[in-house]
Amino acid sequence: QKEVEQNSGPLSVPEGAIASLNCTYSDRGSQSFFWYRQYSGKSPELIMFIYSNGDKEDGRFTAQLNKASQYVSLLIRDSQPSDSATYLCAVGDKLIFGTGTLLAVQP
Amino acid sequence: DADVTQTPRNRITKTGKRIMLECSQTKGHDRMYWYRQDPGLGLRLIYYSFDVKDINKGEISDGYSVSRQAQAKFSLSLESAIPNQTALYFCATSDLRDYNEQFFGPGTRLTVL
Repeated sequence: QKEVEQNSGPLSVPEGAIASLNCTYSDRGSQSFFWYRQYSGKSPELIMFIYSNGDKEDGRFTAQLNKASQYVSLLIRDSQPSDSATYLCAVGDKLIFGTGTLLAVQP
Repeated sequence: DADVTQTPRNRITKTGKRIMLECSQTKGHDRMYWYRQDPGLGLRLIYYSFDVKDINKGEISDGYSVSRQAQAKFSLSLESAIPNQTALYFCATSDLRDYNEQFFGPGTRLTVL
């Protein structure tokens, strides 16, 4: 079992819809969780992090953490074609990454 | 100037050759990481360093070694390159005091023939 798992997608959503991206992790002791966006051919860039159970909102992005169930999710509201990218989940101080989910926002 | 630089940006080498990839950062971060990225496999951690004197193996360290020459420099070496090590390599830095402070370098595309 990989330490961090994501559905590879592609996840296709229409413009203006909510995109929901999920990530599960195996290390119960993990304290920090990160979401990155990576455009094709580019480096990953940090979108947001979360370390407390519950929701954390930043603009159109909301991260959700449930440590009991060992999952973290990212919601993107009012999705735009420019949001089309691979979204990577990373866990812990070692920054262990999942395989990423490809999101395609259809105009 | 970029916060995290990687050299070279592209490299083609032959099986059995020794090669070094270099990473430099201007952020003053203690933590540095090396990853490789392969299609469909995401980013896999090769080595990480939380301090100049602290070096740790990651998920896939076999065939690789690293050197943390200074807080700002973290080098990755392939002692005897093999075709299976053809990949895109990323260096990253982070600040232990601020989770927002994380940066990736532009990547090095390595091809081993």
